[in-house]
Amino acid sequence: DTAVSQTPKYLVTQMGNDKSIKCEQNLGHDTMYWYKQDSKKFLKIMFSYNNKELIINETVPNRFSPKSPDKAHLNLHINSLELGDSAVYFCASTNQGGGVYEQYFGPGTRLTVT
Amino acid sequence: SQQGEEDPQALSIQEGENATMNCSYKTSINNLQWYRQNSGRGLVHLILIRSNEREKHSGRLRVTLDTSKKSSSLLITASRAADTASYFCATDVGAQKLVFGQGTRLTINP
Repeated sequence: DTAVSQTPKYLVTQMGNDKSIKCEQNLGHDTMYWYKQDSKKFLKIMFSYNNKELIINETVPNRFSPKSPDKAHLNLHINSLELGDSAVYFCASTNQGGGVYEQYFGPGTRLTVT
Repeated sequence: SQQGEEDPQALSIQEGENATMNCSYKTSINNLQWYRQNSGRGLVHLILIRSNEREKHSGRLRVTLDTSKKSSSLLITASRAADTASYFCATDVGAQKLVFGQGTRLTINP
């Protein structure tokens, strides 16, 4: 069984469009993350949710809006897509337990904005 | 600049040789973790070393941590073709998040 899954795996869209990426984890973890990995492989945290509550919002344009309907799901909606949004977006999960321990990553969603 | 920086950025060795990657960071940490990323895949956790530990082993992996120098190294012994991947260090700096470096691209030549 897939521990952390994301859909879609690939997303090609035009500038100005709105799109969503979905993430689900079946590990029973209490914390989920969105990361953005650019073309130079630099991985940067965007958001973190703990038990459906927003914990981290890392200076991300407000065109990006995360939503956590329950602690097993974390979705990312992006409005008015720009060329610079092209990247691979990873979802991850962990149990916080008072510290930051190993994170389990999804397979990534490669977003291409044309 | 980034919290974690790996060195070298790219490493190419022959199968069977040992591979060493280094990570330097700037602020104090709770723990440091190493992850592997195969091409086109998500990251996979390899090993976690706490700030009060100096060395940790897991199979062919050996991680050291020197908090006085704010550095860590990952040694992969007896490398195999399947070890070809990018390797990232990530630091737990508090604030409930990990900060990742840019990674070392490791290529194992048969």
